[in-house]
Amino acid sequence: SQTIHQWPATLVQPVGSPLSLECTVEGTSNPNLYWYRQAAGRGLQLLFYSVGIGQISSEVPQNLSASRPQDRQFILSSKKLLLSDSGFYLCAWGNRGFGAGELFFGEGSRLTVL
Amino acid sequence: QKEVEQDPGPLSVPEGAIVSLNCTYSNSAFQYFMWYRQYSRKGPELLMYTYSSGNKEDGRFTAQVDKSSKYISLFIRDSQPSDSATYLCAMKPSGGSYIPTFGRGTSLIVHP
Repeated sequence: SQTIHQWPATLVQPVGSPLSLECTVEGTSNPNLYWYRQAAGRGLQLLFYSVGIGQISSEVPQNLSASRPQDRQFILSSKKLLLSDSGFYLCAWGNRGFGAGELFFGEGSRLTVL
Repeated sequence: QKEVEQDPGPLSVPEGAIVSLNCTYSNSAFQYFMWYRQYSRKGPELLMYTYSSGNKEDGRFTAQVDKSSKYISLFIRDSQPSDSATYLCAMKPSGGSYIPTFGRGTSLIVHP
């Protein structure tokens, strides 16, 4: 069966510090990978998605970046965090090809920027 | 107008009630319709999905799609306190899009 791991689960970072969130998927090959952010009381905001190694599409211009160094690894980064980067970050994977497009989410990483 | 509208609630019901959660949408190209459940401080979990119009049942959950009205529903029978969560709808056109459009979620509270 497929599993998705996301870490760290919680982190508190000062403004201006760097960020690295990691996500790995097991039990599937060539998945589509996604990073979402969910602010308190708000919906899911798609940040990045990837259909293959090194292929990253950005949905929201900001100080975050994403990389996919391996087929089942997706990393969210920032060189200098802003207060507005606080939120709940979710990694998700989906199957390639046509279909329902259902996504499977990790447990999330809660980031607080102080 | 947002592509997908969902009342944020909260919706508070007594244990055992039938719950109706709804979303409306504007894009007639949507063909796949999904429901997710998200417990507090957890990632969303896929409950079920349907294709085009009609009903789909899974245990106490029934998903219903009315494409003519651009309206989808999730019914929960015999609701339990463990059903307390935020429910998100999502939808996607058929074809090459990899990105579903999510509603903002409805918070459901089932009290004993």
